[in-house]
Amino acid sequence: SSELTQDPAVSVALGQTVRITCQGDSLRSYYANWYRQRPGQAPLLVMYGKNRRPSGIPDRFSGSSSGNTASLTITGAQAEDEADYYCNFRDSSAKIWVFGAGTKLTVL
Amino acid sequence: QVQLQQWGAGLLRPSETLSLTCAVYGASFSAYSWSWIRQPPGKGLEWIGEVNHRGSTDYNPSLKSRVTISEDTSKNQFSLKLSSVTAADTAVYYCVRVSGFLEWLEYYYYLDVWGKGTTVTVSS
Repeated sequence: SSELTQDPAVSVALGQTVRITCQGDSLRSYYANWYRQRPGQAPLLVMYGKNRRPSGIPDRFSGSSSGNTASLTITGAQAEDEADYYCNFRDSSAKIWVFGAGTKLTVL
Repeated sequence: QVQLQQWGAGLLRPSETLSLTCAVYGASFSAYSWSWIRQPPGKGLEWIGEVNHRGSTDYNPSLKSRVTISEDTSKNQFSLKLSSVTAADTAVYYCVRVSGFLEWLEYYYYLDVWGKGTTVTVSS
């Protein structure tokens, strides 16, 4: 199955650590990518591959994977991290992109 | 710095054809694949399709019968056409660059540059 499952909402206290997860059988074969989307803005790539951060993304963002679950961890969450986060991957066999439904992160 | 500038009609009537174009600046157009993704109001992201560096295309199976993505390498542009639109096609449409890396003989892909988005509303 190419489906990805994300928790609809997660909250974290300012300065604390939060893990956002993405589950799917295909993640045993593919890396998940992660995107942050603030209200009214286009998505922004924050993590790809095996814990690769694009230029400009703070090092408080990290990625990991275990079995069928990929995780995006924010260590020391900031107010500006409040956003929707989407995971995805490209299924090279089926030649399609698959997105999770997104997780709304609230920073308290 | 790579930039994607997109444009197209923002208001359509049911049964019309949606047409959007995306111009690529600051990147080698032929070295990448290029995708279209949409987001209905208040909902998540949906991949529509893409054109690769060889000019061949892949489409979301749920939209394949209505979608055409093409490229104009002379202008560094790629385009989306979606026919027979309905209210369900109301969304923000994004053009996106596809990048990839090789690891252990396998390519992995990610979407690293996004256009600002075009709001398309279908209403009678």
